[in-house]
Amino acid sequence: EAGVVQSPRYKIIEKKQPVAFWCNPISGHNTLYWYLQNLGQGPELLIRYENEEAVDDSQLPKDRFSAERLKGVDSTLKIQPAELGDSAVYLCASSLRGSSYNEQFFGPGTRLTVL
Amino acid sequence: KNEVEQSPQNLTAQEGEFITINCSYSVGISALHWLQQHPGGGIVSLFMLSSGKKKHGRLIATINIQEKHSSLHITASHPRDSAVYICAVDEAQKLVFGQGTRLTINP
Repeated sequence: EAGVVQSPRYKIIEKKQPVAFWCNPISGHNTLYWYLQNLGQGPELLIRYENEEAVDDSQLPKDRFSAERLKGVDSTLKIQPAELGDSAVYLCASSLRGSSYNEQFFGPGTRLTVL
Repeated sequence: KNEVEQSPQNLTAQEGEFITINCSYSVGISALHWLQQHPGGGIVSLFMLSSGKKKHGRLIATINIQEKHSSLHITASHPRDSAVYICAVDEAQKLVFGQGTRLTINP
């Protein structure tokens, strides 16, 4: 069974440019998470979806970040415009809501470098 | 103060040594996770526990709910164990992560 798929794996852009990341969760997982991970730190939640509904986006900087999960399957995270401080790894994870515990499965991440 | 604190932040040891990484948390949780992250790689779940102790190969995870503390142990450590180990607590369907412990095992 395929795991969580993310693309691209690496992205280098200049500041003020837009960028988008894509995530395809494990088949059947209705909960999807986007995390930001700075170097030497643990991941920080940006947004959590239950199916197509964003149920926790309190940490998403909405002035420049947006996300969507239109059909409750794959998801896109966008930054427009990107700033130097956005350089980080963007992780996507998915889980099956209703399981006993919140075991999340992570994708490989997209490493963003903003120049 | 972070809700999840790990210690040490960095650990270097020789192959074969017994390794302990600690995690303390300050909130009520339903479960605690230990995760492994290799350089350039994604995050892999090692353990998910809510009480007692779990063992998988050379890895052992323990949790003390009353003391809000968990430990991850590695027996007979090997260079391939070199990675970042992250503790995360499950707080109302949201994972709160520690900053990670960077482990380096030298041959």
